[in-house]
Amino acid sequence: EVQLVESGGGLVQPGRSLKLSCVASGFTFINHYMAWVRQAPKKGLEWVATISSSGTRTYYPDSVKGRFTISRDNAKSSLYLQMNSLKSEDTATYYCARDDWFAYWGQGTLVTVSS
Amino acid sequence: VQMTQSPSYLAASPGESVSISCKASKSISNNLAWYQEKPGKANKLLIHSGSTLQSGTPSRFSGSGSGTDFTLTIRSLESEDFAVYYCQQFNEYPLTFGSGTKLEIK
Repeated sequence: EVQLVESGGGLVQPGRSLKLSCVASGFTFINHYMAWVRQAPKKGLEWVATISSSGTRTYYPDSVKGRFTISRDNAKSSLYLQMNSLKSEDTATYYCARDDWFAYWGQGTLVTVSS
Repeated sequence: VQMTQSPSYLAASPGESVSISCKASKSISNNLAWYQEKPGKANKLLIHSGSTLQSGTPSRFSGSGSGTDFTLTIRSLESEDFAVYYCQQFNEYPLTFGSGTKLEIK
């Protein structure tokens, strides 16, 4: 059974940093691109980042480019999202997803950016 | 690519059929997926490649369209189908979602 379990969310002040993690199981992690998607409270879904299976290629929307960094450790079947210079508009539940049509999603971890 | 999804809200009764539209601001070929969102559950991929049912998706769900216009149709609604639905294009970065359609019981 495919499982994606996110962690690392919490309350953080504007301008600070936070690192999210996602541990994958039930599939061969190294074979798949992976992604982060977020959902602000009462809002829709927004794609945040994608990383290639080897980790050599990354993709971001303009809203987070230069502030967020996606990375992975294939030996640990783990995906990460380093979030710097956080803003209030980054408040959201962050999901990791397997990037083959986002066929699998985690349950999410809540990030709240507030002073 | 902007994804315009409509309607944003839909009320229907069990047994009825409904359709949700998703329009892309430029051609995305058939690189479109549909998801279902329910409280307390992981988001579920229903359809990919515009019309291919994901394994486990009931056959009452269908997707159609290519290019810029896409439709998700649910025939004979069941109680478990009342949820929020999103479309998403995978044709190019940045990946973009529609704004969602909330399907409620009438």
